[in-house]
Amino acid sequence: AQSVAQPEDQVNVAEGNPLTVKCTYSVSGNPYLFWYVQYPNRGLQFLLKYITGDNLVKGSYGFEAEFNKSQTSFHLKKPSALVSDSALYFCAVRESPSGYSTLTFGKGTMLLVSP
Amino acid sequence: DSGVTQTPKHLITATGQRVTLRCSPRSGDLSVYWYQQSLDQGLQFLIHYYNGEERAKGNILERFSAQQFPDLHSELNLSSLELGDSALYFCASSDRTSGTNNEQFFGPGTRLTVL
Repeated sequence: AQSVAQPEDQVNVAEGNPLTVKCTYSVSGNPYLFWYVQYPNRGLQFLLKYITGDNLVKGSYGFEAEFNKSQTSFHLKKPSALVSDSALYFCAVRESPSGYSTLTFGKGTMLLVSP
Repeated sequence: DSGVTQTPKHLITATGQRVTLRCSPRSGDLSVYWYQQSLDQGLQFLIHYYNGEERAKGNILERFSAQQFPDLHSELNLSSLELGDSALYFCASSDRTSGTNNEQFFGPGTRLTVL
């Protein structure tokens, strides 16, 4: 069975500093990996995805994520955090199709960026 | 704006009652997914429909059911409601069956409160 772990319930960072939100995954085959962001009282918004190719994926709002197969990780990063980045971030995984599989989400990490 | 619409935004009802949540996917999307988000369970996949047919079931209770109509909108029916059913219910859509790598686009959600 596929699973996702986000080991930190909350990440605190000062504005202007780099941020990292951690994600590790478990699938039996090759993974499709996604990051979503949820602002208060809103639905989830897609940030970026890794399917294949370059391990460094660039996404919306200056975010990027690095796929590391040996460590089964897909950490979300941003070089310089903004207060407006404060939100709930979800990592998700799906096993690459050899049949049908659903998207499994982590429990989410709250990012708080202080001025 | 993701292009996915959900109605109603808020729903307050009593235990034992039945409610229907509605979702309209992005124009052209054939897949609709339903998720439940609660504080203790996180984001849980409920069910997936593709072009009117059920494709996958997740952690969906027998008291819950869904369908996708010929115009591709979907309804999630929740019956014999319990206090524990209080949650945010999200609908998402994508343009292919999730056997491929396309991201899902989420609606704003329906907040259900069972009193």
